Amino acid sequence: SQTIHQWPATLVQPVGSPLSLECTVEGTSNPNLYWYRQAAGRGLQLLFYSVGIGQISSEVPQNLSASRPQDRQFILSSKKLLLSDSGFYLCAWRVRLGLANYGYTFGSGTRLTVV
Amino acid sequence: SQQGEEDPQALSIQEGENATMNCSYKTSINNLQWYRQNSGRGLVHLILIRSNEREKHSGRLRVTLDTSKKSSSLLITASRAADTASYFCATDGTYSGAGSYQLTFGKGTKLSVIP
Repeated sequence: SQTIHQWPATLVQPVGSPLSLECTVEGTSNPNLYWYRQAAGRGLQLLFYSVGIGQISSEVPQNLSASRPQDRQFILSSKKLLLSDSGFYLCAWRVRLGLANYGYTFGSGTRLTVV
Repeated sequence: SQQGEEDPQALSIQEGENATMNCSYKTSINNLQWYRQNSGRGLVHLILIRSNEREKHSGRLRVTLDTSKKSSSLLITASRAADTASYFCATDGTYSGAGSYQLTFGKGTKLSVIP
């Protein structure tokens, strides 16, 4: 079966510390993967997407980076966290919905609090 | 920028009543999708309506799409306490199959169903 895993579920990190969030998918190959951030009470902001190993596109210049070291692994990182990096981070995987339409399957999210 | 904008931002109804949420978008689309997010969780795909469709049903969900007004509505009939969640619309622009597919999400409607 096709599943997506995201961890950790919650994280409290001090300002200036590094960050690594991991997302993996199972049951598929060469998935399109995405990282979104959701600030409290707001919509989803696309941060990065990847169409293959080593291929990363950044949507918003910021303190974060992403990597795709393996086909089914997508990592969100930061060398030094800022207070403004707090939020709910969601990994998503593009899935086919019918003949010519696509949607997303989301991971369960990581609540990051920078203190 | 946000492609989809939901209205209202928050909605509180009694169990058994119908809940209607609206979404407006700005550019042409191939399809529009609705997602549900329980508090602290990832988003779950509910229903997709293609740009050449005007209405679609799935269980207690009814979605309409008016491409001339660039708007959609999600109706949940006979609401239950378990329907309490945030609901997001998402649009795909006019994805041609080339490059990376992306969904753009609105800020969501927070629905509270009171038992």
